[in-house]
Amino acid sequence: DAGVIQSPRHEVTEMGQEVTLRCKPISGHDYLFWYRQTMMRGLELLIYFNNNVPIDDSGMPEDRFSAKMPNASFSTLKIQPSEPRDSAVYFCASSLSGRLPYEQYFGPGTRLTVT
Amino acid sequence: DQQVKQNSPSLSVQEGRISILNCDYTNSMFDYFLWYKKYPAEGPTFLISISSIKDKNEDGRFTVFLNKSAKHLSLHIVPSQPGDSAVYFCAASARREYGNKLVFGAGTILRVKS
Repeated sequence: DAGVIQSPRHEVTEMGQEVTLRCKPISGHDYLFWYRQTMMRGLELLIYFNNNVPIDDSGMPEDRFSAKMPNASFSTLKIQPSEPRDSAVYFCASSLSGRLPYEQYFGPGTRLTVT
Repeated sequence: DQQVKQNSPSLSVQEGRISILNCDYTNSMFDYFLWYKKYPAEGPTFLISISSIKDKNEDGRFTVFLNKSAKHLSLHIVPSQPGDSAVYFCAASARREYGNKLVFGAGTILRVKS
């Protein structure tokens, strides 16, 4: 299996621009998670989906952030407008319900730099 | 409020010695704990886990210990190898409260010197 696929791997954009990050989860997995990693806060959960439905978006920083999962094999995280403080590595992860140890499989991440 | 805390940002250990990474949690509903390892430019990968009904789980060089009364867990790596140099994240799950959601600590950077 290919694992979780994220694109792009690196994104550099100017403040105010829209940024879209993409994720393809492992086939058959019914949970999808978006995380952000920063030096100050470590690994933060932004939002997660179960069977394409958003379950908990309490970690989304503000209205500039939105996430969608139109089908079981694709999800996007959008930032509009982007700001320099959004610079971080964004990870997507997927997992299969009912399977211990609730292991989540992570993609390689997207390093976002907003100038 | 951080529910999972890794108070040591970094740890340096000599090759062949023991590495001990610590993690504290505050939510008594957590019933499953995991450790993830992360290399630069890669996503975190699952390393080892432990259920709250156990106090120890061992997998090769890696052992996780859980002290529920102290709300503390630790990861022991014996013997440490240079390839173990990575960021280690502690994570916790409370299935009744959070479903499949994991709460992660901030991570500890481990450097194993040869």
